[in-house]
Amino acid sequence: GDSVTQMEGPVTLSEEAFLTINCTYTATGYPSLFWYVQYPGEGLQLLLKATKADDKGSNKGFEATYRKETTSFHLEKGSVQVSDSAVYFCAFLTQGGSEKLVFGKGTKLTVNP
Amino acid sequence: GAGVSQSPSNKVTEKGKDVELRCDPISGHTALYWYRQSLGQGLEFLIYFQGNSAPDKSGLPSDRFSAERTGGSVSTLTIQRTQQEDSAVYLCASSFYSSNQPQHFGDGTRLSIL
Repeated sequence: GDSVTQMEGPVTLSEEAFLTINCTYTATGYPSLFWYVQYPGEGLQLLLKATKADDKGSNKGFEATYRKETTSFHLEKGSVQVSDSAVYFCAFLTQGGSEKLVFGKGTKLTVNP
Repeated sequence: GAGVSQSPSNKVTEKGKDVELRCDPISGHTALYWYRQSLGQGLEFLIYFQGNSAPDKSGLPSDRFSAERTGGSVSTLTIQRTQQEDSAVYLCASSFYSSNQPQHFGDGTRLSIL
C-alpha cells in the first residue's frame, strides 16, 4: 500500500553543516511530492514541492529532486542554521479520488550553534 | 482570514464526553481535510470534503468520529464518547481542488482526554 519511509531521527548538526534527510515512497503512478516542516510550537508549513519526475523543489536554501527511478525525494541543504531546527515530514499526494497526503513519520533536526 | 483557522487550540475533557473541533478553511478552497497527529501513529488522514460532500471517510477510526461541512466552508469534527486513545493533535488542511495543489494546514487542536 501507499507509504513513505524517511530517515529516522533525531538528527543533530552543527551550524553550517550539510544536511540530507532521505525519503522514499511507495505509491501508484507518479504522485506530487512534498516536504513539510513543523517548527517548535507551530503548525505544519509547506517547505517545497515537486510535481513530476526530475523536478527540483527549492525554498529557503532547501532542495529536493523528484527521482522516479528510485522513488525518492531526499531533502538537502548546504549550510544549516540554528533556525532550521524543526521536524521535517516527507509526503506525497495520492492520485484519483480524495488526493490525500500520505506522510512519513517525520525527522527531528536540531542545529547547534 | 489569511490562513486555516482551528478552534479551540487546546481541549481537555473527561473520558466519555463528546467534543467538537472546528475548522475554518482558506476562503475559496473547496477541498478540506482532517488529519490526526499522534506520537505513536504519526500523521494520519481522517476525512476529505469536496464542497459539502465527504467522498472519502476511510480514515475515520471508529463510528464515534463524524464530520460535517456546511456552506462549502466551515467544518466540524465530532468525537463522541471520547477515549484516552483519542488524545492527539487534530489538524485541518484546505486546498484548491486541482491536481497537485498543496494543502495548507491550520495550527491544530490539541485534544487531551483525562
